[in-house]
This record gives sequence, C-alpha cells and structure tokens, in this order.
Amino acid sequence: DGGITQSPKYLFRKEGQNVTLSCEQNLNHDAMYWYRQDPGQGLRLIYYSQIVNDFQKGDIAEGYSVSREKKESFPLTVTSAQKNPTAFYLCASQDRVGFTEAFFGQGTRLTVV
Amino acid sequence: EDKVVQSPLSLVVHEGDTVTLNCSYEVTNFRSLLWYKQEKKAPTFLFMLTSSGIEKKSGRLSSILDKKELFSILNITATQTGDSAIYLCAFQGGSEKLVFGKGTKLTVNP
Repeated sequence: DGGITQSPKYLFRKEGQNVTLSCEQNLNHDAMYWYRQDPGQGLRLIYYSQIVNDFQKGDIAEGYSVSREKKESFPLTVTSAQKNPTAFYLCASQDRVGFTEAFFGQGTRLTVV
Repeated sequence: EDKVVQSPLSLVVHEGDTVTLNCSYEVTNFRSLLWYKQEKKAPTFLFMLTSSGIEKKSGRLSSILDKKELFSILNITATQTGDSAIYLCAFQGGSEKLVFGKGTKLTVNP
C-alpha cells in the first residue's frame, strides 16, 4: 500500500537532547513538508523540500534541522535550541505542487520533560 | 508574506444545522486552495479549488472560491455529530509553500 509513515507515534525526551523524527513515503512524491501543531494554532510550517538535496525554511525553522538525501525520506531533527519542543509533529508529501492534494502521516507526539 | 485567516476559530451547533466556515488569504501567484478535516491525528483531504475549479461539492459538503475577493467558504448542511472536527484551510502560491490557517473547531451536539 502506498502511503506516508511517521515514526515513532509517541516520543519522550529529556530537555537538552536532540531527537530525530522519521518520515518516509512510497508515493514517489517530490515535495515533502514538516508541520508543528499546538492547540489552537493550526499547522505551522517548519521546513519543506521540493526536490532531493534541497530544502527551505518555513515559518518556524529555528531550533529544527532536516535533510533530504533520498526522495522517499525527510527526517526532522528537533535540537536543544528549540525552546518549546513539546508538540504534535505532522509530515506531508505532495505530487505536483499547486495542482494536487497533500497526504499526511499519522503524526508524532513529542514530549520533552 | 503569504497568509491565511480562518473564521470563526470555534463553532458549536446542533445536529441538523447548516454551518459556513470562512477562509481568507493573501498570496502571491495563487495556485490552489485546499480544505482538510482533522478528527484525531492526520488531516484528511476534502476539496481543492483552483482557477479552473472554483466550486466543489461532495454530499453535504460544498466549497467555493472567490479569487477576486480572496476568500473561500466551506458549507456543511444537515450537520451530524460525525462532522465534529477541526477544519483546516491551506493555500499554495508562487513560493510553493503549503500554508495553513489556524483552523475552525466545529462541535456538533446531538
């Protein structure tokens, strides 16, 4: 089955540690996105990538980093520089930017204690 | 800067009511506007509106796009408790970002 998979579903980390969230898609989509969702805030764009080995900062990129070494993979690292990392993180992919819908993974809930 | 504003942020209705959700946007080189429904985790796609498709309908849900006035509405008729969710509006423009609004939380009471 084609789809987009995020792992893990739940993640707990101690303050000051870096953590990497996984996002894999087998839809052969060029574009991939990372969003953060807090209560009442909708989806805020962290990073996006339209092609392998290229990515751009979104609206809230500070404290986050990404890589796009393969078309199907777009991992997000939450660094210790992120002041309030506890949130729900969603990954999405899209075939033709501006002309097709985006598909979402099931999300990762990160809790930093 | 590209921006999308949804209203209201929260809405409580009774089953059978009709609701209208609003989405206004500011974007350079508009390409498409998308509506999603989020019940628990992953948002699910409802509609995409573009310059060539400004009105969509599926069952009790319908949506229109007004490119001149830069807004879209999502209508839900004869609401059911299963319509309770967060409804998200997003657009894509020349920057190729997919930008979302804050969402409208709809609660349908029996």
